[in-house]
Amino acid sequence: DSGVTQTPKHLITATGQRVTLRCSPRSGDLSVYWYQQSLDQGLQFLIQYYNGEERAKGNILERFSAQQFPDLHSELNLSSLELGDSALYFCASSASGGAAMGSTEAFFGQGTRLTVV
Amino acid sequence: GESVGLHLPTLSVQEGDNSIINCAYSNSASDYFIWYKQESGKGPQFIIDIRSNMDKRQGQRVTVLLNKTVKHLSLQIAATQPGDSAVYFCAEADTGTASKLTFGTGTRLQVTL
Repeated sequence: DSGVTQTPKHLITATGQRVTLRCSPRSGDLSVYWYQQSLDQGLQFLIQYYNGEERAKGNILERFSAQQFPDLHSELNLSSLELGDSALYFCASSASGGAAMGSTEAFFGQGTRLTVV
Repeated sequence: GESVGLHLPTLSVQEGDNSIINCAYSNSASDYFIWYKQESGKGPQFIIDIRSNMDKRQGQRVTVLLNKTVKHLSLQIAATQPGDSAVYFCAEADTGTASKLTFGTGTRLQVTL
């Protein structure tokens, strides 16, 4: 058990809908990272938050957004869903803000399996 | 995890043999590297890391080798066990400019009895 909790584990929704994925980081970790893992592209970095502020942005679509709350949990919002958004979405947390501040060892949650039909 | 659906390169080794998984990275500015293991139904799990000021680092049954000249990283697993069967990802980061990890496409390791 990595200590990172993601909910829900599975989500099935229709095209055009909006969903929210939730992540609770390990106790004491300030950074939260979101990754998308699809069948044909492997793990793609979406976005990172550190202590409530956006720290780094990757290949995140404009239809997607995220935030980190004062209690450090994070939510990833996916809107106007398309079939191609079907994927595993992973959240990871680390103690530091990233490699520049020490180890970037990140602990991953079990993921949310999103299926858009 | 669901990465079992990916068309990944596959390495098959017999139980007890040593495994070597290779990774080519793209960013010459990357100075921090991690190997992750992803078992079916689980998220990636940290195995070992190495910084660019080193060319070798050893853990328990695992060794990571870094060749910065050719931008190549390898993971060696000694005495491979059935529990080592998983998808292995290398990840790189440029600590000077970004905190995010960029992952490679992964290699599936199959351990045969």
